[in-house]
Amino acid sequence: RKEVEQDPGPFNVPEGATVAFNCTYSNSASQSFFWYRQDCRKEPKLLMSVYSSGNEDGRFTAQLNRASQYISLLIRDSKLSDSATYLCVVTLNQAGTALIFGKGTTLSVSS
Amino acid sequence: DAGVIQSPRHEVTEMGQEVTLRCKPISGHDYLFWYRQTMMRGLELLIYFNNNVPIDDSGMPEDRFSAKMPNASFSTLKIQPSEPRDSAVYFCASRLGGAGNTEAFFGQGTRLTVV
Repeated sequence: RKEVEQDPGPFNVPEGATVAFNCTYSNSASQSFFWYRQDCRKEPKLLMSVYSSGNEDGRFTAQLNRASQYISLLIRDSKLSDSATYLCVVTLNQAGTALIFGKGTTLSVSS
Repeated sequence: DAGVIQSPRHEVTEMGQEVTLRCKPISGHDYLFWYRQTMMRGLELLIYFNNNVPIDDSGMPEDRFSAKMPNASFSTLKIQPSEPRDSAVYFCASRLGGAGNTEAFFGQGTRLTVV
């Protein structure tokens, strides 16, 4: 089941660039949304939750469009340390229990 | 807290052998998840538990896979018999509560190679 779709990339950008990732999900019953980050050969870790009104955390901005079932992540002023795979995540059902992950978008920031 | 603990970190086994992966969730977390990650399929949800009870095992690929959670601090994922296509990284994750934006914490994973 392809419940969460992401462009796999890779996105290759220079330091300081702004980059945007998009994600679509198929289950309209999904209630909670997240972006996770996964470094090479490491476990996924929460980057930020995504709220209906949109939210910002430093250089990172997340947006949610429930009508279009679309989630985005914007990274401003990219750093070398932002190089990683970014995973779009939605909850499985209205109960908001299990997390379903997209396959991820790979970002490589170069100097 | 030490976080979610998985063992072993690496496992190499021969086709046909039984493999048991272990997970200790974060104390107090009432949800536990098993995921499998491959390049081709990404992170797939295999099964999850709430208060030690399996809730959804629809992601378990075949009858060769089974999972148990005998108590709140321990879970196993067993593959019997193992096949080369089972080679993947298996992650265990735990989470507090069911609804809302609570974070799921992952263990470091078990890298399984079946030869």
